[in-house]
Amino acid sequence: DTGVSQNPRHKITKRGQNVTFRCDPISEHNRLYWYRQTLGQGPEFLTYFQNEAQLEKSRLLSDRFSAERPKGSFSTLEIQRTEQGDSAMYLCASSPTGEGVNTEAFFGQGTRLTVV
Amino acid sequence: AQSVTQLGSHVSVSEGALVLLRCNYSSSVPPYLFWYVQYPNQGLQLLLKYTSAATLVKGINGFEAEFKKSETSFHLTKPSAHMSDAAEYFCAVSDYFSGTYKYIFGTGTRLKVLA
Repeated sequence: DTGVSQNPRHKITKRGQNVTFRCDPISEHNRLYWYRQTLGQGPEFLTYFQNEAQLEKSRLLSDRFSAERPKGSFSTLEIQRTEQGDSAMYLCASSPTGEGVNTEAFFGQGTRLTVV
Repeated sequence: AQSVTQLGSHVSVSEGALVLLRCNYSSSVPPYLFWYVQYPNQGLQLLLKYTSAATLVKGINGFEAEFKKSETSFHLTKPSAHMSDAAEYFCAVSDYFSGTYKYIFGTGTRLKVLA
């Protein structure tokens, strides 16, 4: 399968702990996005990478959140000092450049975080 | 700012009946619109996209959507619902104006198909 891969699929953590999620985009996709989805809501944009450069961050991304894409391939999203409000599905998506506005984003299956 | 509004957080239809899921957009520039489907505990799968080439867009699984500029709408339809269509559906607009092409999603419509 050459789709977007996210690990782990599920994570349960105690409040105050740090967690890290990984996203492997489709090979050769330059654009990578992180979204957060809470129950009953649509996905909300968190951050965007073009290759290894983080070009946009949402105000939703507090200073406890950090994302990296060190070599322009896989990406990690870390949440420090987790809070119960961080419980959500974290979705990663990737898309190729060069196709302009018609670019379709391909989504991974998400990482469901539960903070207890 | 661009946005989409999905009317009806829950829609129920009988198997074999017409499916109509509503999406209205707000955009100061020509919009690029998408419909995604999400099954429980899964990611999002693209159903179809509007790329300005044609106002009636056909997608996978028998779904289609019509772009109506005068009504600022992009409603999703399917002539005959199947049990397997039960899922959550999201309308999204591409924020290409910012240069990131990130999607701005609606709040979703959960479709229930009754036997």
